[in-house]
Amino acid sequence: DGGITQSPKYLFRKEGQNVTLSCEQNLNHDAMYWYRQDPGQGLRLIYYSQIVNDFQKGDIAEGYSVSREKKESFPLTVTSAQKNPTAFYLCASQQGVYSGNTIYFGEGSWLTVV
Amino acid sequence: AQSVAQPEDQVNVAEGNPLTVKCTYSVSGNPYLFWYVQYPNRGLQFLLKYITGDNLVKGSYGFEAEFNKSQTSFHLKKPSALVSDSALYFCAVRDEDPGGYQKVTFGTGTKLQVIP
Repeated sequence: DGGITQSPKYLFRKEGQNVTLSCEQNLNHDAMYWYRQDPGQGLRLIYYSQIVNDFQKGDIAEGYSVSREKKESFPLTVTSAQKNPTAFYLCASQQGVYSGNTIYFGEGSWLTVV
Repeated sequence: AQSVAQPEDQVNVAEGNPLTVKCTYSVSGNPYLFWYVQYPNRGLQFLLKYITGDNLVKGSYGFEAEFNKSQTSFHLKKPSALVSDSALYFCAVRDEDPGGYQKVTFGTGTKLQVIP
């Protein structure tokens, strides 16, 4: 099946630990995105990437890191520097960089700090 | 920077009645606008988009949206609401950062509750 796969669906982290959320797409899309969703705040952009080996900080990049070594993969690391990481994380991708192209989302990953 | 606003946190409508979920935008240049729906604990699903052309855009599941340039609005509509339409709805706009990179900015979302 074609699509965007996020894993794991649920992840628990102890304070002080780094964790990595996986995002893989087999749509041959060029651009990929990470968003964070908190209740009542909508979606906030963490990082985005238009091409391999290049990515840009979004509105809330502090405490997060990404890599884009392969076109199909865009993992997000939540570091211990992120003070309030408990949230729902959404990965998305888009074909090309034309402004009118639709972005499509994965099913999301829940991260909880315990 | 481009932005969208969803003025209502929640909209309640009776099943069978028409529904409207509001969105206003602020852009420089041509707007590229989108609507998405999110069911609990799921990712966002694309409903429709406005790029250019006809101001009435038809999308998935019987939804449509009306682009109004003079009012800078892009309201989502459906003639007859279903209980299964109850979900969280997001308006979004295509944006460009100072480096010329494309990104998408979302509104805060509107919870639609369809009452049987």
